[in-house]
Amino acid sequence: AQKITQTQPGMFVQEKEAVTLDCTYDTSDQSYGLFWYKQPSSGEMIFLIYQGSYDEQNATEGRYSLNFQKARKSANLVISASQLGDSAMYFCAMREYSGGFKTIFGAGTRLFVKA
Amino acid sequence: GAGVSQSPRYKVAKRGQDVALRCDPISGHVSLFWYQQALGQGPEFLTYFQNEAQLDKSGLPSDRFFAERPEGSVSTLKIQRTQQEDSAVYLCASSLGGVAKNIQYFGAGTRLSVL
Repeated sequence: AQKITQTQPGMFVQEKEAVTLDCTYDTSDQSYGLFWYKQPSSGEMIFLIYQGSYDEQNATEGRYSLNFQKARKSANLVISASQLGDSAMYFCAMREYSGGFKTIFGAGTRLFVKA
Repeated sequence: GAGVSQSPRYKVAKRGQDVALRCDPISGHVSLFWYQQALGQGPEFLTYFQNEAQLDKSGLPSDRFFAERPEGSVSTLKIQRTQQEDSAVYLCASSLGGVAKNIQYFGAGTRLSVL
């Protein structure tokens, strides 16, 4: 069965420093996608970055990069040069491609960026 | 519109009332998803539409929950005889195609409070 685990309920980072948000997943599928979303206090989920299970390179999108370690089933999000506006909830999610359309989300990590 | 639009943003219902939550997806998006997000948790999948066809409703928690998308665009999530445990934020997302790896774009959600 699919499962996403985010073990850090809250994280603090100093402005301009880098931070890593952890995500591990469990699946028996060989083909799947991993996603990270940001949810500010306004409530809207904002897509950040995607990694396919067959992608050999780690995904990068601006200041966001995904540290994908397939054998360990981890997909950690790295935010470089943190900004005050990065303070939000961050969710890791996974979708298996073998069948169905269900995306499952982790419990989230709340990131606080300190000035 | 440019993004996914949900209405109302807030809904207060007395226990036992019926409610209807509306989602306007991004124009041209084939896929539409509904999620339920309890306080402090990640979104949980409810149901999926591809155009007007409801292909997956495995996440609907009971037969009091019903979703429709009659013309393949606007969708309505209806909850009959609301209970206190239905209190949550209901998120709608749309994506361009039926392909599994398509990015989902979310609305700001409807916060339902059942008294």
